[in-house]
Amino acid sequence: QSVLTQPPSASGAPGQRVTISCSGSSSNIGSNTVNWYQQLPGTAPRLLISINTQRPSGVPDRFSGSKSGTSASLAISGLQSEDEADYYCSSWDDSLDGWLFGGGTKLTVL
Amino acid sequence: EVQLVESGGGLVQPGGSLRLSCAASGLTFSSYDFTWVRQAPGKGLEWLAYISSASGSTTFYAESVRGRFTISRDNTKKSMYLHMNNLRAGDTAFYFCATVVGYYIDVWGKGTTVTVSS
Repeated sequence: QSVLTQPPSASGAPGQRVTISCSGSSSNIGSNTVNWYQQLPGTAPRLLISINTQRPSGVPDRFSGSKSGTSASLAISGLQSEDEADYYCSSWDDSLDGWLFGGGTKLTVL
Repeated sequence: EVQLVESGGGLVQPGGSLRLSCAASGLTFSSYDFTWVRQAPGKGLEWLAYISSASGSTTFYAESVRGRFTISRDNTKKSMYLHMNNLRAGDTAFYFCATVVGYYIDVWGKGTTVTVSS
């Protein structure tokens, strides 16, 4: 069972905005940065958001991240069919000395 | 462009051993920290191990693999490894290597499959 909690699924129509939440604790999100990964079907994960809000080059500005306290969110605006994927949050955990991943959220574009 | 290519996966019997390799290109290998992450069939991501840059003097392991798996690196070969011993059915997964920047996992390889079965 993941210590970072994400909803198992999310959905939205093309063009809509959807948010995915990630809840942790003081030893992970509360004291470290949050990163988000996109995993398209049959492919390796790809870094989407680093250090809470930073988009690597090549990631569209439709994707944005935020963090408050022990929770974080990924927002995707202007949904497109190619956004259908699994999304994972991740954060370093000071108690475990390692990274935690959320259980993943499967995004469906209706 | 940074590229990571994993190899060494395959079918192994319970209790057996396997060594995964991760060959890197497009980066100054010795300057990078690396990590291994796995994904069981139909499941989410699970972090496994971390090794620091240069000599690799600092390593961390997930509790699920501590004492059975060992991460190492060879800067002369621009390669990083995961030595896996006493493999169990629960270790069946896709294994990814990745670079680490600060406190986040950055570039990922395409992965290699490990199946533990008799």
